[in-house]
Amino acid sequence: DQQVKQNSPSLSVQEGRISILNCDYTNSMFDYFLWYKKYPAEGPTFLISISSIKDKNEDGRFTVFLNKSAKHLSLHIVPSQPGDSAVYFCAVSDTSGSRLTFGEGTQLTVNP
Amino acid sequence: DAGITQSPRHKVTETGTPVTLRCHQTENHRYMYWYRQDPGHGLRLIHYSYGVKDTDKGEVSDGYSVSRSKTEDFLLTLESATSSQTSVYFCAIRTTTTGTNTEAFFGQGTRLTVV
Repeated sequence: DQQVKQNSPSLSVQEGRISILNCDYTNSMFDYFLWYKKYPAEGPTFLISISSIKDKNEDGRFTVFLNKSAKHLSLHIVPSQPGDSAVYFCAVSDTSGSRLTFGEGTQLTVNP
Repeated sequence: DAGITQSPRHKVTETGTPVTLRCHQTENHRYMYWYRQDPGHGLRLIHYSYGVKDTDKGEVSDGYSVSRSKTEDFLLTLESATSSQTSVYFCAIRTTTTGTNTEAFFGQGTRLTVV
């Protein structure tokens, strides 16, 4: 049973435009949500997070939106840059804080 | 650099042999995790530890065991490697306190090939 799903395996956007990556989860007990970026041959690196008491968190070009009623999470990157090309994973944590469960990842390609 | 080191970085082993991967941290984080990354599956949790000698299974724990005899080291063992265990393995560390969530930091990964 996949608790976290990223339905788009890949996304291609033009430099300067907005990239929107989506993530759906099934368990309403999840209360902390994260996005990671991964380049080839490197470990994932933390990008941005949001707790369930908020519906938006912004850090520079990156904004995460949380829709708890829809159990949906999205990451907006504006403006997109070629260096943003990577695999993006969403992750969720429950109130115990012990486990981090990841989605399948979305390969973002930003074309110059 | 989050003070986390995985060893070895690459390994080729034969089917049926035991393999141990090591994760070492210098940050004194309570939680340590082992994930595997496979195409189409993302990062899947194998085992995790919430303290010395305290471990629990993840979603793909069959065929793997772990040990944590001291805070800084978390070992992942494949008792008898199979080709299905060919993967990239990532260790992660995380500090959490009750009611407070934090991000996890990942190591560089170990590429394991079972032939």
